[in-house]
Amino acid sequence: KQEVTQIPAALSVPEGENLVLNCSFTDSAIYNLQWFRQDPGKGLTSLLLIQSSQREQTSGRLNASLDKSSGRSTLYIAASQPGDSATYLCAVFTSGTYKYIFGTGTRLKVLA
Amino acid sequence: SQTIHQWPATLVQPVGSPLSLECTVEGTSNPNLYWYRQAAGRGLQLLFYSVGIGQISSEVPQNLSASRPQDRQFILSSKKLLLSDSGFYLCAWSGGGWITEAFFGQGTRLTVV
Repeated sequence: KQEVTQIPAALSVPEGENLVLNCSFTDSAIYNLQWFRQDPGKGLTSLLLIQSSQREQTSGRLNASLDKSSGRSTLYIAASQPGDSATYLCAVFTSGTYKYIFGTGTRLKVLA
Repeated sequence: SQTIHQWPATLVQPVGSPLSLECTVEGTSNPNLYWYRQAAGRGLQLLFYSVGIGQISSEVPQNLSASRPQDRQFILSSKKLLLSDSGFYLCAWSGGGWITEAFFGQGTRLTVV
C-alpha cells in the first residue's frame, strides 16, 4: 500500500529565503508525482507534474526533483515571498492503479 | 480549456438528512473523476474514483456513495448524514491514461449539525 510522507509538517521562514520541502513515498512504482498548493479553505492548485521518467521540473521560482528509486521528491522554492504562504501537498500516481495518494502536507508561512 | 465546477461551496445539514454534491467537468471527454475528503488538520482521503460512466470504485467503507450518470458528471451522495461526515470535499479530474495531471475543484465545506 502506497504511503506518502511530507516533512516538515510546518515551516516558518523570513521573506527571501530559499527553502526545500520534502516528500517521500514507499512504493517506487509510480507513473508520476505532482505538487499542489492549497490556500486556506480553497481547492488545490497544481504546481508541477513530474513524470516517472523525468528527474525534475521547473516553473518560475519553483523546482521539483524526483528520485524514484529512493522514493523521494523535493520542492525547492527560491526567494520566498509572503504570497507563497500556503499548504504544499505532494501526490503520487501509483502504477497499476488510478489513484492519486496524498501526503499530509507542509504548511508554509513566509514572514514579511 | 478544461474547467471543473463543484457546488455548493458551503453546506450545513442536520444529522440524518440526505446529501448530494455535484461535480462537472468541461472541455474534456472520458476523464477519470475523483472524490476526496479533507478533515480538519488532516490529509486528503480518497473516497471514490471513476474511470467511466457507471464505473465507481470505493476506497473506504462509509456512509457515502458516488455515481457517474454522465461522462463528465460525478455525484457524491448520502441517504443519512452523520456528524463524522463533516469535512471539506474535493472533486478532481485527470485525463485518461497514466501520465496525466490532476486538477481540483474549489471544494465544498460540509458541516453536519
